[in-house]
Amino acid sequence: AQKVTQAQTEISVVEKEDVTLDCVYETRDTTYYLFWYKQPPSGELVFLIRRNSFDEQNEISGRYSWNFQKSTSSFNFTITASQVVDSAVYFCALSEVLTSGTYKYIFGTGTRLKVLA
Amino acid sequence: EPEVTQTPSHQVTQMGQEVILRCVPISNHLYFYWYRQILGQKVEFLVSFYNNEISEKSEIFDDQFSVERPDGSNFTLKIRSTKLEDSAMYFCASSDDSGGLEQFFGPGTRLTVL
Repeated sequence: AQKVTQAQTEISVVEKEDVTLDCVYETRDTTYYLFWYKQPPSGELVFLIRRNSFDEQNEISGRYSWNFQKSTSSFNFTITASQVVDSAVYFCALSEVLTSGTYKYIFGTGTRLKVLA
Repeated sequence: EPEVTQTPSHQVTQMGQEVILRCVPISNHLYFYWYRQILGQKVEFLVSFYNNEISEKSEIFDDQFSVERPDGSNFTLKIRSTKLEDSAMYFCASSDDSGGLEQFFGPGTRLTVL
């Protein structure tokens, strides 16, 4: 079955430290998409990135970077020089093809990141 | 930029009451979804809706739940007789013709059942 594992329940770092959030997935689909979302205390899901299974290039966006390794089924997320505003719960998600041909998202259990001033 | 909107942002109801959560998807989108997130837990798929019918539903989506697209713009989730365990954040999402590959999430409705 499709599954997303975020083994780190909670991480605390001091401001300006780098932090990596791990995501490991299992899928039977040959084509799939991986996602990261940020959920601040206000509760909404903020989209961060989508990655196609065919594209293993690492991605960098400002202080954020993502490392996709198909060989280890991992899609890790690194925040460089963390800031207090990065404090949130971060979810990794995986697309799954449904029998109807549409997709649903499967989310991991999330990692709560606390950045201390 | 177009976005998915949801109303209300917070709904408080008594156990056994019916609630309707409303969503306005992005206007040219064709696929619609509801997800649920119990406090402190992961986001879970409830149902997908396409071409005016349910295309998939999860085991969570039992007979107490129903969805409807009553007009060209709204997409609603109805819970017929709420239970305490229905307390959660409910997210609506919509997608264009990618089949749901790229889903845009609304800000959520926090439902509290007392």
